[in-house]
Amino acid sequence: DGGITQSPKYLFRKEGQNVTLSCEQNLNHDAMYWYRQDPGQGLRLIYYSQIVNDFQKGDIAEGYSVSREKKESFPLTVTSAQKNPTAFYLCASAPGTSVYNEQFFGPGTRLTVL
Amino acid sequence: GNSVTQMEGPVTLSEEAFLTINCTYTATGYPSLFWYVQYPGEGLQLLLKATKADDKGSNKGFEATYRKETTSFHLEKGSVQVSDSAVYFCALLYSGAGSYQLTFGKGTKLSVIP
Repeated sequence: DGGITQSPKYLFRKEGQNVTLSCEQNLNHDAMYWYRQDPGQGLRLIYYSQIVNDFQKGDIAEGYSVSREKKESFPLTVTSAQKNPTAFYLCASAPGTSVYNEQFFGPGTRLTVL
Repeated sequence: GNSVTQMEGPVTLSEEAFLTINCTYTATGYPSLFWYVQYPGEGLQLLLKATKADDKGSNKGFEATYRKETTSFHLEKGSVQVSDSAVYFCALLYSGAGSYQLTFGKGTKLSVIP
């Protein structure tokens, strides 16, 4: 089955630790995105990548880092510099960079920092 | 800048009632418009989309028409079911400086009671 997988579904970390969230897609999509969702708010863009080995900051990139070494993978690292990391993180992908291409979302990872 | 404004929830309806969730947007150029749905604990699923003015998107009994004159994309359904209970997000996709980013509204939570 084609789709986007995110792992793990729930993640707990101690304050001050870096943590990496996985996102994999087998849809052969060029573009991939990371969003953060907080209660009562819409999604906010963290980072996005339109092509392998290239990525751009979104609206709230501070305290996060990404890599795009393979087309199918776009891991997100939440660093200790992120002041309020507890949130629901959603990964998405799209066939290409066009306003006609909707984004397809993974099931999300809920990160809780203790 | 670009923005999306949705009616605030939560919205509670009885089964078979008529649903309207208002969405208005501000954007430069000609964005595409989307409605996404999020069921509890899951990622977002595309519900419907419209890519140009006067287009009507429809899916699963839901409809929305891209109204450029009123900058609106209101979601409607004639008869809601309990299974429609979810959070609904209006979003626009625009291109600017070579990037293609989704801007989301804050979401409207719908609860349908039997």
